[in-house]
Amino acid sequence: DGGITQSPKYLFRKEGQNVTLSCEQNLNHDAMYWYRQDPGQGLRLIYYSQIVNDFQKGDIAEGYSVSREKKESFPLTVTSAQKNPTAFYLCASSKGDSYNEQFFGPGTRLTVL
Amino acid sequence: GDSVTQMEGPVTLSEEAFLTINCTYTATGYPSLFWYVQYPGEGLQLLLKATKADDKGSNKGFEATYRKETTSFHLEKGSVQVSDSAVYFCALILPYGNNRLAFGKGNQVVVIP
Repeated sequence: DGGITQSPKYLFRKEGQNVTLSCEQNLNHDAMYWYRQDPGQGLRLIYYSQIVNDFQKGDIAEGYSVSREKKESFPLTVTSAQKNPTAFYLCASSKGDSYNEQFFGPGTRLTVL
Repeated sequence: GDSVTQMEGPVTLSEEAFLTINCTYTATGYPSLFWYVQYPGEGLQLLLKATKADDKGSNKGFEATYRKETTSFHLEKGSVQVSDSAVYFCALILPYGNNRLAFGKGNQVVVIP
């Protein structure tokens, strides 16, 4: 079955540590996205990538980093510079041409202790 | 800039009641519009979409009509079930050619047996 996988589902981190969230898709989509979801605030875009080896900052990129070395993979690193990292993180992908809907993964809940 | 506004607050209703969730948008041009649904602890799933004015999207008993004159895309279902309890997000595609989405803040729907 084609889809998007995110791992792990739950992640705990101590303050001051970097952590990497995994996102893999087998939909052959060119574009991939990372969102952060906080209660009552909807979804906010962190980073997105339209093609391999290229990515752009979204609305809240500070304290995060990404890479796009393979079409299937778009890992997100939450660095110690992110002041309030506890949140639900969602990865999505879409076809490369315009006006196509995004397909979402199941999400990773990150808790900083 | 382009944006989506959803009605404030959660929606609580009884099984078999009629559901309406309001969504209005501000946009340059005529964006594609979407409703996504998020069940507890999961990612977002596309519920329905409309790509041009007067289009009606429908799925699983839910409907929404793209109204250009009122810049609205209200979600309706004639008879809700307990299994419809979820968070519903209205979204539009931003006109940047990269499939970026603008989301509303979402509405929690709770259906009571």
